[in-house]
Amino acid sequence: EAQVTQNPRYLITVTGKKLTVTCSQNMNHEYMSWYRQDPGLGLRQIYYSMNVEVTDKGDVPEGYKVSRKEKRNFPLILESPSPNQTSLYFCASSRGVSTNEKLFFGSGTQLSVL
Amino acid sequence: GDSVTQMEGPVTLSEEAFLTINCTYTATGYPSLFWYVQYPGEGLQLLLKATKADDKGSNKGFEATYRKETTSFHLEKGSVQVSDSAVYFCALSLPGTGNTPLVFGKGTRLSVIA
Repeated sequence: EAQVTQNPRYLITVTGKKLTVTCSQNMNHEYMSWYRQDPGLGLRQIYYSMNVEVTDKGDVPEGYKVSRKEKRNFPLILESPSPNQTSLYFCASSRGVSTNEKLFFGSGTQLSVL
Repeated sequence: GDSVTQMEGPVTLSEEAFLTINCTYTATGYPSLFWYVQYPGEGLQLLLKATKADDKGSNKGFEATYRKETTSFHLEKGSVQVSDSAVYFCALSLPGTGNTPLVFGKGTRLSVIA
């Protein structure tokens, strides 16, 4: 089954404790992206990657890192989480970077930073 | 900048009622337009899309027509069901940017009651 898998589904942590949210897709997609969803703000892009070893900042990259060492994986790293990073995070992928490409989303990771 | 404006929610309807969720956009070029749906506890999934003016996207009884003259892409359904309860996001994507970034609206929550 074609899917984007994120883990964990829920995460509660404390300020400053490094964490990684994993994302994996099994569709051989070139493009992957991370979004955060906050009430009243919709979805905002954090980082994206157009292929292996190619990553770039989205609209809200501060406090986040990503890597794309393999085509299928695109982890999101919070080196020193802060309470304002409490949010619902989504990983997404698509076959390419054409504007008509459908994005496939993971089920989300609800992060709470205390 | 490029943006999408959706009607504020929540929208509450009785089963079999007619649904309209308004969406207007601002874009410097000629965007592709999308509606994504997020069911409770899940990631977003593409509902329908339209890539040029006067195109009509349709899926699962939902329709939206790309209206360039009014810069709109309103979502409609003739008879909603309880299973349509979800958050609906209008989005646009511009050609030639090298990133497939969907610019999302803030989402409209729909609740359908039996």
